[in-house]
Amino acid sequence: AIQMTQSPSSLSASVGDRVTITCRASQDIRSDLGWYQQKPGRAPKLLIYAASTLQSGVPSRFSGAGSGTDFTLTISSLQPEDSATYYCLQDDNYPLTFGGGTKVEIK
Amino acid sequence: DVQLVESGGGLVQPGGSLRLSCAVSGFPFSDHHMDWFRQAPGKGLEWIGRSRNKALSHTTQYAASVKGRFTVSRGESENSLYLQMNSLKTEDTATYFCARDGSVGPTSKFDFWGQGTLVTVSS
Repeated sequence: AIQMTQSPSSLSASVGDRVTITCRASQDIRSDLGWYQQKPGRAPKLLIYAASTLQSGVPSRFSGAGSGTDFTLTISSLQPEDSATYYCLQDDNYPLTFGGGTKVEIK
Repeated sequence: DVQLVESGGGLVQPGGSLRLSCAVSGFPFSDHHMDWFRQAPGKGLEWIGRSRNKALSHTTQYAASVKGRFTVSRGESENSLYLQMNSLKTEDTATYFCARDGSVGPTSKFDFWGQGTLVTVSS
């Protein structure tokens, strides 16, 4: 199975800060990667798919980049409502596999 | 509006069985791949299985952790996705989510999710 290594596991940042989360795949997954946001007690929410395509309705402060093995999710200006855990998910190969998650807290 | 509503969770003893349902509405169910995910308490997300769309004959894929014990199926007339879970283990304790793959291309995008249903495996 493809291993997805996500970092950092947690971060604390201030409103307005630029935040970057990284996912590294154990093998080439082309651009077959999505980013999901999950708040406590809620289902995940799709932010980005195909590595860099913003899902309809998602604020433009979220962006994704990368291909092959290295990917990033960037929040250009952190907002209070962005406090959540973020996961990457590769869908290039079965089994689909998630990164371990990044918990984002607001200072 | 697209809706996915899971049901069927609860408390079951180790070795027991349970069937989860995911009732969908608001989109052509047969056109979409549908997946099950789970999340153990305080842990990350795990993909567990897929039912491909009607065009791909509803073929299935499973994670190694559940293969041979869990079965994903769908009832097209009921607009429902199912997860039959047999030989349950304590480590299967989790909230189970169904999700729609909204992609029409080669890469997936899980754009709609159910609210989740909790399965607790304990004696």
